[in-house]
Amino acid sequence: QQQVKQSPQSLIVQKGGISIINCAYENTAFDYFPWYQQFPGKGPALLIAIRPDVSEKKEGRFTISFNKSAKQFSLHIMDSQPGDSATYFCAASRNTDKLIFGTGTRLQVFP
Amino acid sequence: DAGVIQSPRHEVTEMGQEVTLRCKPISGHDYLFWYRQTMMRGLELLIYFNNNVPIDDSGMPEDRFSAKMPNASFSTLKIQPSEPRDSAVYFCASSANRITGELFFGEGSRLTVL
Repeated sequence: QQQVKQSPQSLIVQKGGISIINCAYENTAFDYFPWYQQFPGKGPALLIAIRPDVSEKKEGRFTISFNKSAKQFSLHIMDSQPGDSATYFCAASRNTDKLIFGTGTRLQVFP
Repeated sequence: DAGVIQSPRHEVTEMGQEVTLRCKPISGHDYLFWYRQTMMRGLELLIYFNNNVPIDDSGMPEDRFSAKMPNASFSTLKIQPSEPRDSAVYFCASSANRITGELFFGEGSRLTVL
């Protein structure tokens, strides 16, 4: 119940395309869903986060879509750029508990 | 601010040796986390501290692993004795005020145990 399942494991997208990464969870008590971005040789960094009181959050080219009934949330990267090539982690937590990370998606954007 | 500082960045050691990884969190952050990253298991939380006190060490793999936080600006993760399966990148992260606040990660310590 504590797991966050992330897919796909890797993703190749052409420049200008849409990258979509999906995550699913079981614990209905989760109330915070962040996405972290990690470049090679660096630590992960917070990209965008959402709480279940909204179904979508957009920051620039990055959008989180949240489906509470399906217990799923996804990251959409519009107009993907080579600079977006990184590993992306979804995560989930309850207010008083630790973050549970997904296993990561390696995104490669080719020119 | 300098961010979370970890050392060493790379460590190569032989099986059976003691390994000590170090972390300096961001000043003023109340929470400190140690994570391990591998291809197979992704990011695993090993232990976290709140105000220098260990709160949850359920992710520590076994007794060979230990972590301390003697003061607000320093933490260590020790592996003794080390084994090849401990090879991974170990990250330290800190956050201000809330356990679910934004985590600020260091650049990691890549450990290779031969």
